[in-house]
Amino acid sequence: TQLLEQSPQFLSIQEGENLTVYCNSSSVFSSLQWYRQEPGEGPVLLVTVVTGGEVKKLKRLTFQFGDARKDSSLHITAAQPGDTGLYLCAGGGSNYKLTFGKGTLLTVNP
Amino acid sequence: DSGVTQTPKHLITATGQRVTLRCSPRSGDLSVYWYQQSLDQGLQFLIQYYNGEERAKGNILERFSAQQFPDLHSELNLSSLELGDSALYFCASSSRPGTEGTQYFGPGTRLLVL
Repeated sequence: TQLLEQSPQFLSIQEGENLTVYCNSSSVFSSLQWYRQEPGEGPVLLVTVVTGGEVKKLKRLTFQFGDARKDSSLHITAAQPGDTGLYLCAGGGSNYKLTFGKGTLLTVNP
Repeated sequence: DSGVTQTPKHLITATGQRVTLRCSPRSGDLSVYWYQQSLDQGLQFLIQYYNGEERAKGNILERFSAQQFPDLHSELNLSSLELGDSALYFCASSSRPGTEGTQYFGPGTRLLVL
């Protein structure tokens, strides 16, 4: 069974601070996706990384896929209250299934 | 708005009952996925259909079943409900059969079993 561990589980920071959340597994994934979910809504895809060592930037968000394709990180620069939400990573394999981590609940206080 | 619709938005029922959750995918998407989200288990993949056929199965209980109809909408049937089935149920759709495509999630159905 493929498992994805996300850390930290909860993160509360002040506006303007930087943060990094992690997604780790003992399994290799063919792709790694990051989603953000806001209360009362479904997850929304932020990015997909497919190559080991790949780095993608989306404005203030930087996503990295580990060289061995077992882990990933999401770094947010100068966090804003609008970044508040549940960040989920999901690993894709050859079996058509996405395996989700339990998420990091981020609160950015103004 | 993802373009995926789910009904009902909220559902309250009793143990032992049966309910049906409905999902309409984005226009043109052939894949439909069902997920269950609870506080302790997180987001769990249940089952996927592609163009009417079951494509992949996850942690779906035998009491649960799903199908995708010719018009591509899908239904998730939950029977002999237990308290532990209380959760958010999400449907997602994609234009691709595998995990390489973007999955667009609906707003979810919140199920409460009393």
